[in-house]
This record gives sequence, structure tokens and C-alpha cells, in this order.
Amino acid sequence: EIVMTLSPATLSESPGARATLSCRASQSVSTNLAWYQQRPGQAPRLLIYGASTRATGIPARFSGRGSGTEFTLTISSLQSEDFAVYYCQQYNNWLPAFGGGTQVEIK
Amino acid sequence: QLQLQESGPGLVKPSETLSLTCTVSVGSISSNSDYWGWIRQPPGKGLKWIGSINYSGSTYYNPSLNSRVTISVDTSKNQFSLKLSSVTAADTAVYHCARHRRTRFSDINWFDPWGQGTLVTVSS
Repeated sequence: EIVMTLSPATLSESPGARATLSCRASQSVSTNLAWYQQRPGQAPRLLIYGASTRATGIPARFSGRGSGTEFTLTISSLQSEDFAVYYCQQYNNWLPAFGGGTQVEIK
Repeated sequence: QLQLQESGPGLVKPSETLSLTCTVSVGSISSNSDYWGWIRQPPGKGLKWIGSINYSGSTYYNPSLNSRVTISVDTSKNQFSLKLSSVTAADTAVYHCARHRRTRFSDINWFDPWGQGTLVTVSS
């Protein structure tokens, strides 16, 4: 089973700041990685798939990069609606696995 | 835009079977080759994939739950369902259904969109 680790657990930033979240896989997942955003009380929303392809309707301030075992999600300028929990998910094998989540909170 | 909605009992007794249904609307469950999945989220914790099914009934299950899980599909109702047997308090979670995207390279990939989720509590 591939284990996904997100860091940091909590990221405190001010509106307008740049935020960078990291996701590490216990073994290579190539670029078979997705990112999700979950606001309180809401369903997760797909942001990125294929490590760097934005899903339909996702603003350009969200960008993903990486391959193999190291990935990042960058939010170029945090808006109020971006303060949420973020998850990564690998789909390189038939056992999809999620990371534990990074809480992005207002500083 | 495709929508998914979970339904089922919010309270299940220990050792009994949890049963949930996901209804797909604004789209057909059999219109393409995507899979349809269940994911759960214990209170305050992360996400765990349970299993997925396609319109013809082919399934993938998480081996950690495999012996207790059955996922089925009813294309006439545009629904798919989850049964989890012999539940314990550890099965208390918000259960989400989601479309599990298929590509030409792999049957199961990312999830989009998701249902809102339904809280199932296991307690006597």
C-alpha cells in the first residue's frame, strides 16, 4: 500500500499570501496524483489531477507540480474561500490512497 | 452538471449491516465507462477509499475492508449502493459517494464530483 504524507499539518497564512503545500508518496506514483479542497461541512472538490492539470472551473491561482514521490500544491494569492483542508490522492495503482490533510487557516 | 446524493440510516447498531445508496442525477450512471465509488471520513480524520463499481457490475474493493463490503449497481434507478457488514464503532464516519474517473490507461483514477456525504454512527 502506498502511503501519502501531507505537510505541514497546519499552515497559517494571511489573505493575499502565497501558500505551498507538500505531498510525499512512500513510493513513486509517477504523475498519478490529485489534489482536493474540502471546506467545512462540504464535500471534497477536485482541484488538480495528473499532478498539474487544473480541473474544470478551478482558478488559475491553484497550481500543482511534481512527479515520482514529491508533489506541491501552490495557491498564489490566498482568497478567503481558500481557507480549508487540502488532501492529495495517488491513483498509480488500483488501491487509491489519500494523504491525511493540510489545514490552511487564517493567520 | 452531474450530481450525487447519499441516503440511508444515520444510526446502525454494532454487528449489523450498514446500507447506503447513492443516487446520480443530471447524468446517467451507464452513459460512459467511469466507475462509481464510496469513500469514508471518520470524524476529524482523513479520507479512505472503500470500493468502486462500474455500470456492468465490475468492482474494486479496498482489501482492508474487502471481506465486509459489497457494492452493487442498479442502472434502472441510476443508483449504486454500499453494504458494510459486522460494523463496529470504528466504522462511524461520513460516507461519500463519488464518480471515479476512468482513463484509457487505468480503470480507477481521481474522484469528481463528490456527494455531500452522510454521517453514519455505529452505536447501540
